[in-house]
Amino acid sequence: NAGVMQNPRHLVRRRGQEARLRCSPMKGHSHVYWYRQLPEEGLKFMVYLQKENIIDESGMPKERFSAEFPKEGPSILRIQQVVRGDSAAYFCASSPFGQGSSNEQFFGPGTRLTVL
Amino acid sequence: DAKTTQPTSMDCAEGRAANLPCNHSTISGNEYVYWYRQIHSQGPQYIIHGLKNNETNEMASLIITEDRKSSTLILPHATLRDTAVYYCIVNNAGNMLTFGGGTRLMVKP
Repeated sequence: NAGVMQNPRHLVRRRGQEARLRCSPMKGHSHVYWYRQLPEEGLKFMVYLQKENIIDESGMPKERFSAEFPKEGPSILRIQQVVRGDSAAYFCASSPFGQGSSNEQFFGPGTRLTVL
Repeated sequence: DAKTTQPTSMDCAEGRAANLPCNHSTISGNEYVYWYRQIHSQGPQYIIHGLKNNETNEMASLIITEDRKSSTLILPHATLRDTAVYYCIVNNAGNMLTFGGGTRLMVKP
């Protein structure tokens, strides 16, 4: 059973460009979480999605950031008009169940975004 | 979610048991205790979780005090590959995880 997959593993963008990060959850998992880890800092929750729905986006910056998890295909975290402060490692996690259940989240290897 | 307090760093000799403490004095009745670790810059790895009973799996044991205000993660025979940052997280099951600073465990030969 393949784990959570993220691509690309490394992404370099110039200021003002768009960054698209993809996350394929583990087979059978319909809940996806995105976290961001700034250099030398801890992980911070960004958004929680279930298939076709955003459940909790309380950690998402108000502008330039969006996320989706379509019925078919991977979850996408999109950052428009990137700035140097967006440089970070972005981790995706998936779980088989959502709120109200005791379950662990399985993390992918992350995408390291560097904004020049 | 309740806040947790962990020592910033700990050392452990290779082959010995590593006991990592965590205080969560404000934990509520429906919150679980989860442990994750992050090796270097990899994605966090789930280790174990529990509600009130002690738990054991192939990686570690989790001891939760009777009042649930603290817990200890035990790695029975630490190896160099267990060097990592260990996060104790109290979570209302299924919600997002709130990572604190964690404990940086250094396993030394």
